[in-house]
Amino acid sequence: DARVTQTPRHKVTEMGQEVTMRCQPILGHNTVFWYRQTMMQGLELLAYFRNRAPLDDSGMPKDRFSAEMPDATLATLKIQPSEPRDSAVYFCASGLVSGGSPLHFGNGTRLTVT
Amino acid sequence: AQSVTQLDSQVPVFEEAPVELRCNYSSSVSVYLFWYVQYPNQGLQLLLKYLSGSTLVKGINGFEAEFNKSQTSFHLRKPSVHISDTAEYFCAVSDKGGSEKLVFGKGTKLTVNP
Repeated sequence: DARVTQTPRHKVTEMGQEVTMRCQPILGHNTVFWYRQTMMQGLELLAYFRNRAPLDDSGMPKDRFSAEMPDATLATLKIQPSEPRDSAVYFCASGLVSGGSPLHFGNGTRLTVT
Repeated sequence: AQSVTQLDSQVPVFEEAPVELRCNYSSSVSVYLFWYVQYPNQGLQLLLKYLSGSTLVKGINGFEAEFNKSQTSFHLRKPSVHISDTAEYFCAVSDKGGSEKLVFGKGTKLTVNP
């Protein structure tokens, strides 16, 4: 079974540090999404790419977050500097945007910023 | 823009009882509809989807959902639940023919008690 792989699974860091989360989408999928899950806000869309081009990052705090897709096998989400309010689970999902094909989610990166 | 409302944040039910998890959506364009399930410490998995055609769709693990266009609803049902169905369930919508990014509801925590 093809899977979306996210690393690391858990990350604890101190406020002010840089955090990088990585995602390997399923081979052949043309769209990658980054979501953030918190108790208060639920699942929020941060950014997404199609064919490696960023389409929408309006959900991200621009001053500290950045998302890139350097090649078809890797998507990254960086936070610099990190803050305690960034503590959440970050999910990557990939899919084939075509007639309602579903998204496939990774197991997430649980980020704790102290 | 689309939005999703899941009317119940928590639903407790006894094993072998029927369950319905409610979902209403709002959109100015035609949509695709999805239900995803999330088990603890995991990503989201697709339960079922409505793209077009028959308004009653069947998914995995004995779940089904009915699309009601006039009421803009997509309620999830199961006639007899098991302990293993305890999880969080998310309703989601995406626009047909557009970006197809998923917008999620806030989730319903289903707890099945013995």
